[in-house]
Parts: sequence; structure tokens; C-alpha cells
Amino acid sequence: EDQVTQSPEALRLQEGESSSLNCSYTVSGLRGLFWYRQDPGKGPEFLFTLYSAGEEKEKERLKATLTKKESFLHITAPKPEDSATYLCAVQVWGGADGLTFGKGTHLIIQP
Amino acid sequence: DAGVIQSPRHEVTEMGQEVTLRCKPISGHDYLFWYRQTMMRGLELLIYFNNNVPIDDSGMPEDRFSAKMPNASFSTLKIQPSEPRDSAVYFCASSLEGPRNTGELFFGEGSRLTVL
Repeated sequence: EDQVTQSPEALRLQEGESSSLNCSYTVSGLRGLFWYRQDPGKGPEFLFTLYSAGEEKEKERLKATLTKKESFLHITAPKPEDSATYLCAVQVWGGADGLTFGKGTHLIIQP
Repeated sequence: DAGVIQSPRHEVTEMGQEVTLRCKPISGHDYLFWYRQTMMRGLELLIYFNNNVPIDDSGMPEDRFSAKMPNASFSTLKIQPSEPRDSAVYFCASSLEGPRNTGELFFGEGSRLTVL
């Protein structure tokens, strides 16, 4: 069974304090790994897609990286508006078109 | 574009009642997904459609749940009879050309269901 585990479950940082969120996966054959952001009371919003080990994607203060077993979402000098739940999801070869999501990391950036 | 539109945003009902959740996907998107989100289990895929045809309903918890997509601009998720354990936020999402290309699903704001 495909599994996606995110850690930590929650993280509280000071504004400007850089850190990383982890997503480890156990799948039969990774087609793609995806990062989403979810604000309270909203649906998830797409951030990145990573397809192969060594690949990196960046967007403003966020950078996503991928290895054969895990992905990291690095947050550099975060601001309070970066506070959200960050979700990781995978898609496998030969599987359904839907994504399998982890439970997310709840990130709070304090001013 | 208005994005994916879901209704109702909030629903409170009593055990045993029928619940119908509605979704209007983004125009031109040919994939539609229904997800359920709880604190315990996170986001779970219930069912998805391609060109209005159900492709995979293996995530539907039991026969009390059913979903339809009568046309490209409308889908429903029905629970009958509802039970307290069905309480969750139900999300609809749509995608163009399927997520195999980019993984980008466009989610609605969700329907929060509370079954008493």
C-alpha cells in the first residue's frame, strides 16, 4: 500500500527563521510528488510537482527537493503569511489518476 | 474563472438523513475528484470521473455513499443514510487533462458536514 508520511505534524517558527518540512514516501513506483498549501477553511492550493530524484523547484521563499525516499520543503526567511498547512502527495505509475496525500504539516510563523 | 464551486459550505443534519453535496468544476476540465478530509485520516480520495464517467470509486467507504456526474458542469455526492462518522470536510477538485501531466488539482472551498 502506498504511504506518505509528513513530519513534523506541527512547527512554530519565528519570522525569518528558516526550516524544512519532510515528506517520506513508500510507493511501488513514483510517478510524481506534489506539494500543496492549505489555508484554514480553504481547499488545498498547488505549489510544486517533482518527478525525479535530484529535481528542485522554487517559488518565492519555498524550495522543494526530491530524493528516492523523501522530499523536503525548505522555507527560507519565512513571513507570517507563510503560515498554513503544507500537504505532500504522490502519484504512482499504473495507479489511479487521483493523488495520495499525507496528513500535512501545520506551520505557524510568529511575527 | 470562478474556480471550483461547492455547495453547501456548511451542512448540519441528523443521523439517518440524506445529504447531497454539489460541485461545479472549472469549465473545460475533464477530470473531477471527490475527497474527504478529517483530522484522523487526512485527505482521502473517494471517487473520480473522467469525461463524466466514474473511473475509480474504490475509496467510497460503503454503499451509503454515491456520486454522479450527469454532465460536464455538475456533480453530486450523496450520503444516505448519514451517520455521525461521516462528519468531515468534503472537497471537490477538477483538473485539465488529468493530473498525470502536472499534478495540479484545483480544489473548491469544501463542504463541512456535521452529522448529529
